[in-house]
Amino acid sequence: ETGVTQSPTHLIKTRGQQVTLRCSSQSGHNTVSWYQQALGQGPQFIFQYYREEENGRGNFPPRFSGLQFPNYSSELNVNALELDDSALYLCASSLGARVRGGREQYFGPGTRLTVT
Amino acid sequence: AQRVTQPEKLLSVFKGAPVELKCNYSYSGSPELFWYVQYSRQRLQLLLRHISRESIKGFTADLNKGETSFHLKKPFAQEEDSAMYYCALQGGSEKLVFGKGTKLTVNP
Repeated sequence: ETGVTQSPTHLIKTRGQQVTLRCSSQSGHNTVSWYQQALGQGPQFIFQYYREEENGRGNFPPRFSGLQFPNYSSELNVNALELDDSALYLCASSLGARVRGGREQYFGPGTRLTVT
Repeated sequence: AQRVTQPEKLLSVFKGAPVELKCNYSYSGSPELFWYVQYSRQRLQLLLRHISRESIKGFTADLNKGETSFHLKKPFAQEEDSAMYYCALQGGSEKLVFGKGTKLTVNP
């Protein structure tokens, strides 16, 4: 069974640029959630995708957008980067709420984004 | 509103001592509650969930709806328990709401 993987591991961008982060879900999982973890904070929910459709969104501006592909891998795109976007971005996959015990989320190692 | 509070940012105990990591939550319905752990240089992983009422690595947590708490306990701490611990809540939607975390250090 393959766990959740994320790429790249680290990334440095300049304010105003755009970035794409990638996530491959655990084998058999059809739901992907993205979280932002700022230094010293717990992860904050950005949004979730279930079978290629957005299935819930946290308090993040529209410049945070996502995509899920037919193989259930996912991308997080952030436009017009701001200094406060510097954080660890976590992806988590799950079987989905429609499956008993399917809400448990399995996390990837994260992508460390630094905006200068 | 959904909120999780972990009042202790840092907690330090000696090996063999009991440990309790506090978690209080705010949610109007019946939430699912979880404890996640992050060991040094490892990814965030689920430690236990209140629904399964299980003990993992000697840790237990009881949901107290009256006090809206879900404290994590272990009677005898081990050095390998040193890690960041996050309490998380899942309400009606699929998102997890996390607390800010408690860094546990178990001293020899």
